[in-house]
Amino acid sequence: QSVLTQPPSVSGAPGQRVTISCTGSSSNIGAGYDVHWYQQLPGTAPKLLIFGNTNRPSGVPDRFSGSKSGTSASLAITGLQAEDEADYYCQSYDNNLSVDWVFGGGTKLTVL
Amino acid sequence: EVQLVESGGGLVKPGGSLRLSCAASGFTFSDYNMNWVRQAPGKGLEWVSSISSTSRYIYYAESLKGRFTISRDNAKNSLNLQMNSLRAEDTAVYYCASRSGYYGDAFDIWGQGTMVTVSS
Repeated sequence: QSVLTQPPSVSGAPGQRVTISCTGSSSNIGAGYDVHWYQQLPGTAPKLLIFGNTNRPSGVPDRFSGSKSGTSASLAITGLQAEDEADYYCQSYDNNLSVDWVFGGGTKLTVL
Repeated sequence: EVQLVESGGGLVKPGGSLRLSCAASGFTFSDYNMNWVRQAPGKGLEWVSSISSTSRYIYYAESLKGRFTISRDNAKNSLNLQMNSLRAEDTAVYYCASRSGYYGDAFDIWGQGTMVTVSS
């Protein structure tokens, strides 16, 4: 059971918009800690996609965007492309009992 | 080119030990906080341990305390993870990842991972 909750899967047709939610609590996202998002293509290492809730590293297309509100965050992907098919993970920091960097359980995006 | 390359994975029996290493290149290793993150087969990502740039601050996932030890050698641009009393549930790909601070506290550079299999 992950500290951050994500839907196991989402899907969309090419060109469509999809969103992936990440729900936390008052000890992590709700405490004001930043949310980051990672993309993991099949058989590869994770790659930083969104940092600091809304920011894209250089080279990440502006089709990817992040938002945060209260104890939740979301990743939106517009203009869906076949190469976006991957696993997506949210990540934050949790101060409950001990120091912990925490991940969501991951969401498998299928491009139909 | 900025790069992290893990090594040291393999097959080990339950109760055994293994030492993972991560070689850094292309950036000023001594300026970066470093981490280990693992991924069990077919599962999600799990943070394992973190060490600050000067080794002053070290953190472990609660479930791993006492069995794993993280260390670094800034002169050799290397990060290590000593894993003792290994269990079947430690079977995973272990990734070395940096937190440079340029992207908040996100894990910004990742290695390709090294597979650890704990089985008799």
